[in-house]
Amino acid sequence: KAGVTQTPRYLIKTRGQQVTLSCSPISGHRSVSWYQQTPGQGLQFLFEYFSETQRNKGNFPGRFSGRQFSNSRSEMNVSTLELGDSALYLCASSLAGSVNTGELFFGEGSRLTVL
Amino acid sequence: GQQVMQIPQYQHVQEGEDFTTYCNSSTTLSNIQWYKQRPGGHPVFLIQLVKSGEVKKQKRLTFQFGEAKKNSSLHITATQTTDVGTYFCAGNNNDMRFGAGTRLTVKP
Repeated sequence: KAGVTQTPRYLIKTRGQQVTLSCSPISGHRSVSWYQQTPGQGLQFLFEYFSETQRNKGNFPGRFSGRQFSNSRSEMNVSTLELGDSALYLCASSLAGSVNTGELFFGEGSRLTVL
Repeated sequence: GQQVMQIPQYQHVQEGEDFTTYCNSSTTLSNIQWYKQRPGGHPVFLIQLVKSGEVKKQKRLTFQFGEAKKNSSLHITATQTTDVGTYFCAGNNNDMRFGAGTRLTVKP
């Protein structure tokens, strides 16, 4: 059974650009959540999607957005990139209907560097 | 909003010593999960605690959930070099909030 797949694994952008990251969950998982990981800040919750609907959202500015497709694949977008957006972006899928009740399976992450 | 505090931020131990990391939530949690992230890797699920006062063991790892369901701890007995990594707690209350993690290093 394939795990959670994130693409791209690494990318470099410049300030002001925008970026789109992709996440394919484990087959059969309908819940996808996104986290930003930076040194010293741990994992910061961005948002969770279930059946193409955003269920929860963390405390990030509107430049961070996401969506989920009918096949449960998810994308997140960051517009007008800032230096502080440099981080590892982790996607996690869950079998449960809500992220609250199930084990999270994480992908390898997309490491974004903003210059 | 819900906040999950985790201490210590770093812990360096000699192989064979014990290790404990603690989590405290500002709100009552429905459940708490623990994850381990090896250097260069991604978080991997260890366990979930649901009941007040629950204690679970996995070989040398002991997990506890407080009576008020606002705090939790992970204790490793007789650490080994394979225990190296960052341990995160994640508290659930409408959404999952992770602690900042405790980075464990083990000197052989």
